[in-house]
Amino acid sequence: EDQVTQSPEALRLQEGESSSLNCSYTVSGLRGLFWYRQDPGKGPEFLFTLYSAGEEKEKERLKATLTKKESFLHITAPKPEDSATYLCAVQARSSNTGKLIFGQGTTLQVKP
Amino acid sequence: DSGVTQTPKHLITATGQRVTLRCSPRSGDLSVYWYQQSLDQGLQFLIQYYNGEERAKGNILERFSAQQFPDLHSELNLSSLELGDSALYFCASSVGDRGPYEQYFGPGTRLTVT
Repeated sequence: EDQVTQSPEALRLQEGESSSLNCSYTVSGLRGLFWYRQDPGKGPEFLFTLYSAGEEKEKERLKATLTKKESFLHITAPKPEDSATYLCAVQARSSNTGKLIFGQGTTLQVKP
Repeated sequence: DSGVTQTPKHLITATGQRVTLRCSPRSGDLSVYWYQQSLDQGLQFLIQYYNGEERAKGNILERFSAQQFPDLHSELNLSSLELGDSALYFCASSVGDRGPYEQYFGPGTRLTVT
């Protein structure tokens, strides 16, 4: 069964304290891995798509990486405005559709 | 702003009732997806339409149905509502069918069943 697990569930950082969020996945053929940011009560906001192991993408203080079994979202020198829930999702070749399977998310709090 | 619109933003209704949630995709997108987000289940895929045709079904209850119209907007119909149907319902859209294409999410409809 295709599955996505994110860790930790919650993460508290001081402003400027870098860290990483983990997304482990089990799929029968990865078509793509997606990272989203979600603020409370709002829709998920697209951040990155990763397609193959070894790929990396960056946007401001965020950098996403991908291996054959997991993805990391590295946050460098975070600011309070980076506080949000970060969601990881995969699209499996086996589904032959655009369906996304989401992890439970990591809720990040950055304190000034 | 993702370009995906959803109405209404909030909906409060009683058990046993029926409601309709509406979604307009981004300009140029042909696929529409519906997801349900509850505290204990996270984001769960319900159904996908591509250019008016149903493409995939997830954990969608028989009491729920959806359709995509010729102008590509979509509606999710929820009937015989139960307390457990209270959740955030999101619509997303993408340019194509299988992809991998980025999906852009709307602001959601918060459904409260009392």
